[in-house]
Amino acid sequence: KQEVTQIPAALSVPEGENLVLNCSFTDSAIYNLQWFRQDPGKGLTSLLLIQSSQREQTSGRLNASLDKSSGRSTLYIAASQPGDSATYLCAVRYQAGTALIFGKGTTLSVSS
Amino acid sequence: DTAVSQTPKYLVTQMGNDKSIKCEQNLGHDTMYWYKQDSKKFLKIMFSYNNKELIINETVPNRFSPKSPDKAHLNLHINSLELGDSAVYFCASSPGQETTNEKLFFGSGTQLSVL
Repeated sequence: KQEVTQIPAALSVPEGENLVLNCSFTDSAIYNLQWFRQDPGKGLTSLLLIQSSQREQTSGRLNASLDKSSGRSTLYIAASQPGDSATYLCAVRYQAGTALIFGKGTTLSVSS
Repeated sequence: DTAVSQTPKYLVTQMGNDKSIKCEQNLGHDTMYWYKQDSKKFLKIMFSYNNKELIINETVPNRFSPKSPDKAHLNLHINSLELGDSAVYFCASSPGQETTNEKLFFGSGTQLSVL
């Protein structure tokens, strides 16, 4: 069964700290992987998309890495800010044209 | 302009009723989706349409019937609503199946409460 797991389920850090969110998937033959952010009561915002041939993608303070052989992706957030507080979801597309399979997310709280 | 818009934002109804949720995207995308997010915040695919054709149907009860009049619209009709249908329903779109840039863009969700 193709699953996506995110650990930890929740994380609290003080402002300014660098942090890593983890995502693991059961089948290394993925097509692409996407990280999303969800704010309470809102939809999902796409942060980064990594193709299966890529090792990482960067956008501002965010860096996502992909290691297919170990079935893992990490989302690195540098110099965290209170505005980064949200739930971060990892989603994997195993084949072109198939639906994204989501993890349950990591809820991040950054305190000022 | 909102890229993916869905209405209504909130829907409260009685068991047994029939209701519809509408979704429209102005991104020119070929593929649209319906996802369900349950009370545990788990997001699961329900349907996917590519250019008005159904391509994914994930063992959803046939009380749920999606309809895509054109590739910019994907509506969700639910018959005989049950308590377990209470959830947040998200519409999403992506450029299409044939491109490697398959970023999904989500609507803001419809909170459905069945009483």
